[in-house]
Amino acid sequence: SQQGEEDPQALSIQEGENATMNCSYKTSINNLQWYRQNSGRGLVHLILIRSNEREKHSGRLRVTLDTSKKSSSLLITASRAADTASYFCATDRYGGATNKLIFGTGTLLAVQP
Amino acid sequence: EADIYQTPRYLVIGTGKKITLECSQTMGHDKMYWYQQDPGMELHLIHYSYGVNSTEKGDLSSESTVSRIRTEHFPLTLESARPSHTSQYLCASEEGTALGETQYFGPGTRLLVL
Repeated sequence: SQQGEEDPQALSIQEGENATMNCSYKTSINNLQWYRQNSGRGLVHLILIRSNEREKHSGRLRVTLDTSKKSSSLLITASRAADTASYFCATDRYGGATNKLIFGTGTLLAVQP
Repeated sequence: EADIYQTPRYLVIGTGKKITLECSQTMGHDKMYWYQQDPGMELHLIHYSYGVNSTEKGDLSSESTVSRIRTEHFPLTLESARPSHTSQYLCASEEGTALGETQYFGPGTRLLVL
């Protein structure tokens, strides 16, 4: 299946440290997105990177995309306790006739104050 | 902040009851989606719609049904709730016509069927 796999499944760091999460996928994509989900809430879109882009920044977020390895990473710099959440990558299906996104299994990030 | 709303936020109901989960958005998006998510797990697409009178089943089989009579409204119905339906249900919408663009999520409905 196209489903993204993320690692680590869970990550615990201290406030101020950087957090890196990885996502791997199986087939060609148009773009890859990262979402954040606070416990028991809906998802919030963080960043979208297209297949012809290699790196993208948004505030303290840095996303890289390596289409040859079918992988992406999300880096959160200078983490804060408020960054504690689950983070999901989502990919579309290149050449597909639909707009469906396939979500990864998620990384649970805990930032200790 | 996305203008997409879900009600109720929490629902506890007995087996066999009919329920409707409401989802509405004020952004004029044609594409809307329903996902099912168990605690700590990934999202599974159960229904989607690309516009009025268009509905399709998603990747995960579901006994629920949906309708899309108005652009802004995409309700999900379970005719006879069962404990196996206990989960979180997330509604999302997407703008534009390009593939795989940003989706905007509602806060979710947590359903518990006793």
